[in-house]
Amino acid sequence: GQSLEQPSEVTAVEGAIVQINCTYQTSGFYGLSWYQQHDGGAPTFLSYNALDGLEETGRFSSFLSRSDSYGYLLLQELQMKDSASYFCAAPPGGAGNKLTFGGGTRVLVKP
Amino acid sequence: GAVVSQHPSRVICKSGTSVKIECRSLDFQATTMFWYRQFPKQSLMLMATSNEGSKATYEQGVEKDKFLINHASLTLSTLTVTSAHPEDSSFYICSASGPGTGDGYTFGSGTRLTVV
Repeated sequence: GQSLEQPSEVTAVEGAIVQINCTYQTSGFYGLSWYQQHDGGAPTFLSYNALDGLEETGRFSSFLSRSDSYGYLLLQELQMKDSASYFCAAPPGGAGNKLTFGGGTRVLVKP
Repeated sequence: GAVVSQHPSRVICKSGTSVKIECRSLDFQATTMFWYRQFPKQSLMLMATSNEGSKATYEQGVEKDKFLINHASLTLSTLTVTSAHPEDSSFYICSASGPGTGDGYTFGSGTRLTVV
């Protein structure tokens, strides 16, 4: 089975930095993905970590530590449009493998 | 990039009727499609996995006779909610994977189903 835990909600102001942690217990771990979902919309893929370390994509970065079964998504220079739910998910172990989502973290960005 | 089209985006139906939701991959062959259900402010729960040309694999607790999934071609999968009840009201989202979709899965835009 698979279990991914993340905080339910985070509030921050524009320009701030937010870190969303995700701890997981999975069998056959292939990596950790992150998705963003605005209210009423579909999830959109943000990043994927197959190996330990930090992956940077613009204002968003994602980190993975396999030994600690832990990863995080870092949102920098927060903007109002970043208000959304963020989900960690595993595994994308190749096309066809089913994806299991964490409970989601609702990020609220205030002026 | 890989695009998945889901239709309809919203549907309201009466209790006891059936509703069909379509999910199409527009520019790639979706060898596998996944169907999720999401209640307000909750996470996505996988309902079933469908592979083209074979029967869908349902997650534990999902009634296969109520949620009929057909994946007859590499570009189309359908989810039919049969004999819908108000408790079936939810947000249904498909996602697809196949050659060229890379590390991330592509999701359809979702269908908001309201059963009255």
